[in-house]
Amino acid sequence: QKEVEQNSGPLSVPEGAIASLNCTYSDRGSQSFFWYRQYSGKSPELIMSIYSNGDKEDGRFTAQLNKASQYVSLLIRDSQPSDSATYLCAVNRVDDYKLSFGAGTTVTVRA
Amino acid sequence: DTEVTQTPKHLVMGMTNKKSLKCEQHMGHRAMYWYKQKAKKPPELMFVYSYEKLSINESVPSRFSPECPNSSLLNLHLHALQPEDSALYLCASSQPVGGWEQFFGPGTRLTVL
Repeated sequence: QKEVEQNSGPLSVPEGAIASLNCTYSDRGSQSFFWYRQYSGKSPELIMSIYSNGDKEDGRFTAQLNKASQYVSLLIRDSQPSDSATYLCAVNRVDDYKLSFGAGTTVTVRA
Repeated sequence: DTEVTQTPKHLVMGMTNKKSLKCEQHMGHRAMYWYKQKAKKPPELMFVYSYEKLSINESVPSRFSPECPNSSLLNLHLHALQPEDSALYLCASSQPVGGWEQFFGPGTRLTVL
């Protein structure tokens, strides 16, 4: 079983819609949860970090964490063509430098 | 603009060459990382430095040799690489405690002929 699993893509959404990305993790000791956006040929860019159960909003992005269910999600509201990218879920423990990444979900926003 | 910079952006080298990748961060972080990323895969951790000391080596072949000259610089020395080492090499930095956000540089695209 993989440590971090993301919903398989690609995910295609129309412009203005909500894109919903899901991630589950196996290590119950995980304390830190991150979403990175990676455009083709570029490096990962941190867009959200979440450490406590509940929702965290930043602009059009909302991260949701449920530690009991070992589940973290990212919602992208009012999706724009510029949101077309691969989104990587990453988790780690507070005592560990090593990030565990999911395989990534590729999102395409249709104009 | 990223506060983690990497040079060069692109590098092509033969299997007998020696080259170095450089990374510099201006975020005051005391942990720095090297990752390797192949196409359509997530980044794979190679090395971690914490307070300029090697903290983690993920069983990386000795043809990759990291160096951390000071708190803001990180190098990766390359020697006798193989074509399968062609990848995007990413540097990252963070606070010197596990669990904190890691910020990536733009990467060096390496091609080994």
